[in-house]
Amino acid sequence: DTEVTQTPKHLVMGMTNKKSLKCEQHMGHRAMYWYKQKAKKPPELMFVYSYEKLSINESVPSRFSPECPNSSLLNLHLHALQPEDSALYLCASSQESQLNQPQHFGDGTRLSIL
Amino acid sequence: QQPVQSPQAVILREGEDAVINCSSSKALYSVHWYRQKHGEAPVFLMILLKGGEQKGHEKISASFNEKKQQSSLYLTASQLSYSGTYFCGRDSGGYNKLIFGAGTRLAVHP
Repeated sequence: DTEVTQTPKHLVMGMTNKKSLKCEQHMGHRAMYWYKQKAKKPPELMFVYSYEKLSINESVPSRFSPECPNSSLLNLHLHALQPEDSALYLCASSQESQLNQPQHFGDGTRLSIL
Repeated sequence: QQPVQSPQAVILREGEDAVINCSSSKALYSVHWYRQKHGEAPVFLMILLKGGEQKGHEKISASFNEKKQQSSLYLTASQLSYSGTYFCGRDSGGYNKLIFGAGTRLAVHP
């Protein structure tokens, strides 16, 4: 079990659906991340939140919309996704966003777009 | 730019040693190492922040050669539990963005 909890674990959705991925951590971390991971590939950074503010958006399409309601929660809202968006979506957190600190990953949400 | 990991895959018998290398064409300010088992979250192993730094984690250790822009992960007396994909990550030089290498798949057999 990881200290970063992601729900749901699996999600199947159609291209016209709207859904949300949720991530929660109670370690007091002030930086949270969304990564996308395709099979047999490394995680690729999508977004970074630092102190509940978006600090990095890696040119992610607008059909992905992140939200950080408070320091413990991170959401990723999905709308009108494409089949190529099928992947494992990983959430991570760290004490701060500086890169001298480890990132703690959740188990991910496996997303399939029909 | 993505750091380059070698080898791409390693097969070991229990008790054997392995070295995984990570090199970058860009300056390396720090190197992170993670292990991911199939269907699980990546797990942090260690961070090396300074050139010449070496760290150990049970029988897993790593070194960081800042001048050569490379890091190596050393796995000694491997155990079945070491199986998984090992990723190195480099920071993007102040942009708080971790860029992972393609990964090295390690399989340890009895």
